Amino acid sequence: NAGVTQTPKFRILKIGQSMTLQCAQDMNHNYMYWYRQDPGMGLKLIYYSVGAGITDKGEVPNGYNVSRSTTEDFPLRLELAAPSQTSVYFCASSYGTGVENNSPLHFGNGTRLTVT
Amino acid sequence: AQSVTQLDSQVPVFEEAPVELRCNYSSSVSVYLFWYVQYPNQGLQLLLKYLSGSTLVKGINGFEAEFNKSQTSFHLRKPSVHISDTAEYFCAVSLRSNDYKLSFGAGTTVTVRA
Repeated sequence: NAGVTQTPKFRILKIGQSMTLQCAQDMNHNYMYWYRQDPGMGLKLIYYSVGAGITDKGEVPNGYNVSRSTTEDFPLRLELAAPSQTSVYFCASSYGTGVENNSPLHFGNGTRLTVT
Repeated sequence: AQSVTQLDSQVPVFEEAPVELRCNYSSSVSVYLFWYVQYPNQGLQLLLKYLSGSTLVKGINGFEAEFNKSQTSFHLRKPSVHISDTAEYFCAVSLRSNDYKLSFGAGTTVTVRA
């Protein structure tokens, strides 16, 4: 059971380039999330999805786009990379909500992105 | 909106000593509370969570936390730490009405020394 798989692990981009961070989960989770982690700032939610075909903005969505065509995959797109997007990006998934079904977030191991 | 404040950014501690990591939250409505741990170069893992019921919650690896509604706190404790507890710890909160969206604190780095 692979859990949440993120690719690539590392990437260096030049300003203005675009790229897609891949995220796949094999746990049949409905909920998926993208967070960015910056030193001393904790994790900030970029986008999230409550199921295939449904996405919504989190706290810091500017400069990013997502899609959720299948339950398994939730790619994050950077269209015009900027130095402010240098960060570690984590994808996560979860099963359910509510007191009875609340499940922990399962995180991938992250993608370390540098924009220069 | 809910928010979380972790009061200590770094906590150095000697092996076998106790440790307490402080977390305060802000919300006008009922919340769920969580502690996650992040080991170097890994994603986060759930340590424990408070959803309802007993305010003292026990988690993995000997950690426990106490929910204090009057003080809006959820402090994490371990009576005796090991070198392997060296990691970054995150407190998180979600609204009960919207519990799949977590807000994370800035994190507390725990360094355990022999």
